[in-house]
Amino acid sequence: GAGVSQSPSNKVTEKGKDVELRCDPISGHTALYWYRQSLGQGLEFLIYFQGNSAPDKSGLPSDRFSAERTGGSVSTLTIQRTQQEDSAVYLCASSPQRNTIYFGEGSWLTVV
Amino acid sequence: QKEVEQNSGPLSVPEGAIASLNCTYSDRGSQSFFWYRQYSGKSPELIMFIYSNGDKEDGRFTAQLNKASQYVSLLIRDSQPSDSATYLCAVAPYNFNKFYFGSGTKLNVKP
Repeated sequence: GAGVSQSPSNKVTEKGKDVELRCDPISGHTALYWYRQSLGQGLEFLIYFQGNSAPDKSGLPSDRFSAERTGGSVSTLTIQRTQQEDSAVYLCASSPQRNTIYFGEGSWLTVV
Repeated sequence: QKEVEQNSGPLSVPEGAIASLNCTYSDRGSQSFFWYRQYSGKSPELIMFIYSNGDKEDGRFTAQLNKASQYVSLLIRDSQPSDSATYLCAVAPYNFNKFYFGSGTKLNVKP
């Protein structure tokens, strides 16, 4: 497709389980970002990938969160031992180098 | 102090009026400035960006940037009910390693 693709669109998981969220960026975009948005809140930066450079992980809230980007394209955000406060929409965005970012539709995570 | 500050609103304007949305940022080194629109339950979509001081117009939208005052604004002319949404201001440094978002201003355009 032409836009940023995220899956799953919705995920309900039990507290303590691990979850994986996937992002397929726009073709040719070298930069990829993950953000988190809790209900009624602003966007919280999580992690940034640019090409083959080391990712900027400064926004990851705890060591339960990790992300990787394989082959400079698809990215996976993993949350281990999920907690209720992890419930949010996780937004992936991509960008041509040093340019505007375009968001996917998000993965809505509910931890029960 | 937050990187980007916006009034949360709601800002209510009648249909056909001009809506004025404002944003201030703290980092003088910021290089690029963006306005996104977010409908309830949807992801943010880009409206426009501005890099240089002054005004930039795109259809009914005008972005204004004043780096000396660290102030960005968005004017929406001839506001329509379909413009009702939350408007997010975003700021990026020279290396675009992250975009700092304000918490958004909710705009209601009344028919």
